[in-house]
Amino acid sequence: DAGVIQSPRHEVTEMGQEVTLRCKPISGHDYLFWYRQTMMRGLELLIYFNNNVPIDDSGMPEDRFSAKMPNASFSTLKIQPSEPRDSAVYFCASRPTGGTDTQYFGPGTRLTVL
Amino acid sequence: GQSLEQPSEVTAVEGAIVQINCTYQTSGFYGLSWYQQHDGGAPTFLSYNGLDGLEETGRFSSFLSRSDSYGYLLLQELQMKDSASYFCAVLNNDMRFGAGTRLTVKP
Repeated sequence: DAGVIQSPRHEVTEMGQEVTLRCKPISGHDYLFWYRQTMMRGLELLIYFNNNVPIDDSGMPEDRFSAKMPNASFSTLKIQPSEPRDSAVYFCASRPTGGTDTQYFGPGTRLTVL
Repeated sequence: GQSLEQPSEVTAVEGAIVQINCTYQTSGFYGLSWYQQHDGGAPTFLSYNGLDGLEETGRFSSFLSRSDSYGYLLLQELQMKDSASYFCAVLNNDMRFGAGTRLTVKP
């Protein structure tokens, strides 16, 4: 298996622009997680899905952030409009039902908002 | 809510043993996981404790005491490549991470 796939790997954009991050989880994994990592705040859980349904989005910073999972093999995290404080590395992770111990992380998307 | 506490930095020399502690407060708890992250990389799974006691995986061991809300990661025979950040994480239906401990291994 190719593992969790994220795109793009790097994104540089200007304040006010819309940003869309993409994730393809490992096939057969029922859980999908979006994390944001910064030096100041560490690794924060933004939202997670189970069987394509959002379960907990309490970590989403504000209404500018939205996430969707239209099917079992694809999820997006959208920021509109983006702000410089959104600059971070965004990770997607997945795990199977019953595989409670191991989450598999994608390589991350490094977002820079100028 | 949830909180996890772990030291921010640890330094050790090659061949030594280092222990990274983690204390947690959480309303729900299945187990404690440990992840390693090298600079510029993604977190990768190291170890998991669902029950009290010690789990050993090669040079790495992890311990959990549910009654004390405490766990640790033990790294033995340290190598330069072990220089990385190490995160404890509480597993509930989701997974929440501590702030990470940056381990520096010196020759």
